[in-house]
Amino acid sequence: DQQVKQNSPSLSVQEGRISILNCDYTNSMFDYFLWYKKYPAEGPTFLISISSIKDKNEDGRFTVFLNKSAKHLSLHIVPSQPGDSAVYFCAASSLGSQGNLIFGKGTKLSVKP
Amino acid sequence: DTGVSQNPRHKITKRGQNVTFRCDPISEHNRLYWYRQTLGQGPEFLTYFQNEAQLEKSRLLSDRFSAERPKGSFSTLEIQRTEQGDSAMYLCASSLLQGLDGYTFGSGTRLTVV
Repeated sequence: DQQVKQNSPSLSVQEGRISILNCDYTNSMFDYFLWYKKYPAEGPTFLISISSIKDKNEDGRFTVFLNKSAKHLSLHIVPSQPGDSAVYFCAASSLGSQGNLIFGKGTKLSVKP
Repeated sequence: DTGVSQNPRHKITKRGQNVTFRCDPISEHNRLYWYRQTLGQGPEFLTYFQNEAQLEKSRLLSDRFSAERPKGSFSTLEIQRTEQGDSAMYLCASSLLQGLDGYTFGSGTRLTVV
């Protein structure tokens, strides 16, 4: 039973446009959410996070939105660049879990020049 | 500091053999985590250490798996009597004690059991 779901295995976007990656979760105990980016042959790299007390967090071209009532979060990348092409993982945690993360299956983003 | 280092990068072993992987975390990080990632899946938590103490183990970590962090620095993950289902990428990560802004992952060890 997947607690963190990324229902789109892949997404293709034109350079300069917005990329929107979606993530849904089922466990209402989750109170911290993170996005990681992974290039081939490398480990995941932390991108951005959001606490459940917020509904938006922004860092440069990356913004994460959290809708607690819908148990849904999204990552917006604006503008998208070819170097953003990677697999993006959504992850969730509850503070009581000592920081162990539950990951989704990932979405492969391709940004075309 | 060069980040989290994992060795070897690749390991091919015959079914039934034992294998051991090593992880060197970022030096000031108290916490060290092991995750496993199979094809088409996200990383799955296996176990974590705070300093030298192993504080949590996933049910994925069968009794063939053992992890140690003897002096609170590097860690080893051993798999005994490997099975084909153990083929995966084994990822190590480290973080500060209260580090909620994500872990730093290593590049992983890819295990293939033939």
